[in-house]
Formats: sequence, structure tokens, C-alpha cells
Amino acid sequence: QQQVKQSPQSLIVQKGGISIINCAYENTAFDYFPWYQQFPGKGPALLIAIRPDVSEKKEGRFTISFNKSAKQFSLHIMDSQPGDSATYFCAASSGNQGGKLIFGQGTELSVKP
Amino acid sequence: DAGITQSPRHKVTETGTPVTLRCHQTENHRYMYWYRQDPGHGLRLIHYSYGVKDTDKGEVSDGYSVSRSKTEDFLLTLESATSSQTSVYFCAISDGGLANYGYTFGSGTRLTVV
Repeated sequence: QQQVKQSPQSLIVQKGGISIINCAYENTAFDYFPWYQQFPGKGPALLIAIRPDVSEKKEGRFTISFNKSAKQFSLHIMDSQPGDSATYFCAASSGNQGGKLIFGQGTELSVKP
Repeated sequence: DAGITQSPRHKVTETGTPVTLRCHQTENHRYMYWYRQDPGHGLRLIHYSYGVKDTDKGEVSDGYSVSRSKTEDFLLTLESATSSQTSVYFCAISDGGLANYGYTFGSGTRLTVV
């Protein structure tokens, strides 16, 4: 019930295309859903986050879509660029559990020029 | 990353030896976390701390211990290193406020156990 399942494991997208990464969770107590971006040799960095009271959040080319009833959320990267090539992690946490983040398995995104 | 430093950045050690990794923060954040990153597993929580001398186990705590004697330092010790503990270890900090559960991660320590 604590797991967050992420797919796909790897993704190749052409420059200008849309990258879509999906995550699913079981624990209905989760109330915070962030996405992290990690470049090689670096630590993950917070990209965008959403709470379950909204169904979508957009920041620039990055959008989170959230489906509470299906217990799924996804990251959409519009107009994908080679500089977006990185590993992306979804995560979830609950205030009732001390805010500990549970991470998905990660998606390695490669954007081809 | 600004405000959080991990040391060493790389370490090679022999099976059976103790190893200590250090995380140092200058943000005065209450919460500190140790994760390990392995291909196909994402980031898994080893131990975390919610204050000085207050620590708790995460999902993969076997073989690891932690200590936090000061707000700014969180130490992770592998008591007797095994090859299965070869991994990249990340420390993270958080102010833990209800409005923000975001973490700031360090740059990681790549540990190889031979």
C-alpha cells in the first residue's frame, strides 16, 4: 500500500514532442504528489508538485494531471527539448506519516534532436 | 546543492568494514533523510530524522544505523559493509511544514563495496 508505481522505465521522444510519464498509488492518505528531475551525477531536484484538491497544475511546459478516483497522476512535458533529457521520479507523501516521500522507480527520458 | 553537502562524494571499501557517510546542512531544517538509489528501484528510504537525537527507520534500514547529535549533521553508518550496499546514497532535507513537503537533495555519495 506504500508503493508508488511508475511507468515507463525509459522513454525516447523526438524534439518538440510530448513526453508522458505515469504513476499510480494505493494509499489514499497520500496528500502531496511531487515530481523530481535528476541529471547525471546530481541529486534529484523538485520540478513540480500537486495536491489532490486540484486535477491539474501547469508550470511552463510541465503539467501534472491528477485523477483522484483512479489514484493516478502523470507528468506531461510539452515541446520536449534535449535539455529535458534526465531521469524523472514521481513521489507521494502524507502529512499523517511525517511527510516521508515514497518514490516511484524512475523514468529515464531521452529527447532526440 | 546549496545548503546541503555530502561527504565523501566517492568511496570504495572492502566487505566487512564499517563506513560512515556524512550529510551537513546549513538551512536549519528539522527533517533529514537518507535514501539509496538503485536501478529499477528508484529512491528508497533508509532512515530519517525529525530532530536532534530523534531518528526512525525507513523501508530498507537493515545493516544501517544513523546518528544526529546536531541539527546540521546526519551521519549514516554501514556497520559491516556488504556488496549489496553498493549504491548511490542521497541525503535530503526538509522543513516539513504542512505547506511544503519538498525535499532538497545533496549531490550524492557513490559507494562501492568490493
